[in-house]
Amino acid sequence: NAGVTQTPKFQVLKTGQSMTLQCAQDMNHEYMSWYRQDPGMGLRLIHYSVGAGITDQGEVPNGYNVSRSTTEDFPLRLLSAAPSQTSVYFCASTGGVAGSLYEQYFGPGTRLTVT
Amino acid sequence: GDSVTQMEGPVTLSEEAFLTINCTYTATGYPSLFWYVQYPGEGLQLLLKATKADDKGSNKGFEATYRKETTSFHLEKGSVQVSDSAVYFCALSLRSGNTPLVFGKGTRLSVIA
Repeated sequence: NAGVTQTPKFQVLKTGQSMTLQCAQDMNHEYMSWYRQDPGMGLRLIHYSVGAGITDQGEVPNGYNVSRSTTEDFPLRLLSAAPSQTSVYFCASTGGVAGSLYEQYFGPGTRLTVT
Repeated sequence: GDSVTQMEGPVTLSEEAFLTINCTYTATGYPSLFWYVQYPGEGLQLLLKATKADDKGSNKGFEATYRKETTSFHLEKGSVQVSDSAVYFCALSLRSGNTPLVFGKGTRLSVIA
């Protein structure tokens, strides 16, 4: 299993540009999520999905869109990049059985700089 | 709401020193507790976990005990190495359904030779 994969690893955007961060998992997990990591802020949840066709907002959703057309893929779209979106982005998927332990698996991250 | 509080860093230790990183939590249900580690330039990796009171999670010489009475899950290691330098995150997960993990803000550990 490849686990959780993310592309690209690095990206530089100009203010106002759009782009999509890709995330895929091959563990057949229903639950996937996107976080951003900023210095001194820990991880903050952007959006999450509990299954194909279902998405919901996390703590910091503004400026980001998501969709979940398949179980495997959960792309994150920046419609009009802003310098405040400079961050490291992590995708994660969660596996487990209802009523027991859930474990979260992280991708390697995408380092995004918006100038 | 549910939250995790961990000691602020950075923590700087000499090799072979004893490590404690404090973590306390607030949860409406009965959570599972985790420690994740992030090495420089990498994503988060699960270090250890505990699912019920008095459980002890352990891995790579690290240990943490689930203390329900003090709502704590402190991370300890008896003798740190330079290779342990990383950021450590405490987190909780409620088992009632597919809910997001709640993370602490992370503690950066630097171990010097």
